[in-house]
Amino acid sequence: NAGVTQTPKFRVLKTGQSMTLLCAQDMNHEYMYWYRQDPGMGLRLIHYSVGEGTTAKGEVPDGYNVSRLKKQNFLLGLESAAPSQTSVYFCASYPTNSNQPQHFGDGTRLSIL
Amino acid sequence: GQNIDQPTEMTATEGAIVQINCTYQTSGFNGLFWYQQHAGEAPTFLSYNVLDGLEEKGRFSSFLSRSKGYSYLLLKELQMKDSASYLCAVSPRDYKLSFGAGTTVTVRA
Repeated sequence: NAGVTQTPKFRVLKTGQSMTLLCAQDMNHEYMYWYRQDPGMGLRLIHYSVGEGTTAKGEVPDGYNVSRLKKQNFLLGLESAAPSQTSVYFCASYPTNSNQPQHFGDGTRLSIL
Repeated sequence: GQNIDQPTEMTATEGAIVQINCTYQTSGFNGLFWYQQHAGEAPTFLSYNVLDGLEEKGRFSSFLSRSKGYSYLLLKELQMKDSASYLCAVSPRDYKLSFGAGTTVTVRA
C-alpha cells in the first residue's frame, strides 16, 4: 500500500544545476499537485495536473516545469536551480470526489548552494 | 485569490483542551480540511467539513461556519504526541487546496 512516493528524499544541488523530482501514486487518482513548504509560509502550490497529459500553473510556478505523461507519475523539474528554491517539496494526489483528502508523499528536502 | 488565517503558535498543558481558529476568504467553497503535520513529516488528514456544524472524531473535533468564513479544530485531552503543526486548508470549486501557514501547537508536561 505505497500511496504517494517521492524520489529522492534529499538532494543538494549547486546553483545552476538541473534536476527532476519524481512523484508516483498507485491510487488511480486524477489530480496531482506539487507544493513547496517554507518556514512560516505553509504549503504553496507550484503546479498541478487534472489528468494525464495536462498541467497547470499554481501560485508559485516560476523556475519550475512539470510533466504528466502517465497518470500515475508527476514530474517536477528545475532547469537552473537557484538558492531561493531551497525548500521542502511535497507531492500530493487527489481523487475526483472532492470530499476525500489529498494524499501526500513524504517530501523531498532540496538544498541549493 | 484565497486568504486563510490561523494563529502561528499555541502552547497548552498535557490533558488540556486547545482550540485552533481558522478564518478564510475564498473564491468558491467546496469544503475545509484540517491536516496534522509533525516536524519533518508529510501532512496527514484529520477532518473535513463541508456543512455548517461540528464534526467529532475521537479527541479531535472540527467546526465550520460557512456564513462567517470560520472554522476551528478542537483538540481534547492533549497528549505529548499532539505537538505538531495544524494546517487549515480550503477547497475552492476547482480542486486546488489553499493552505493556511499552519499553527504550531506545543504540548507541555
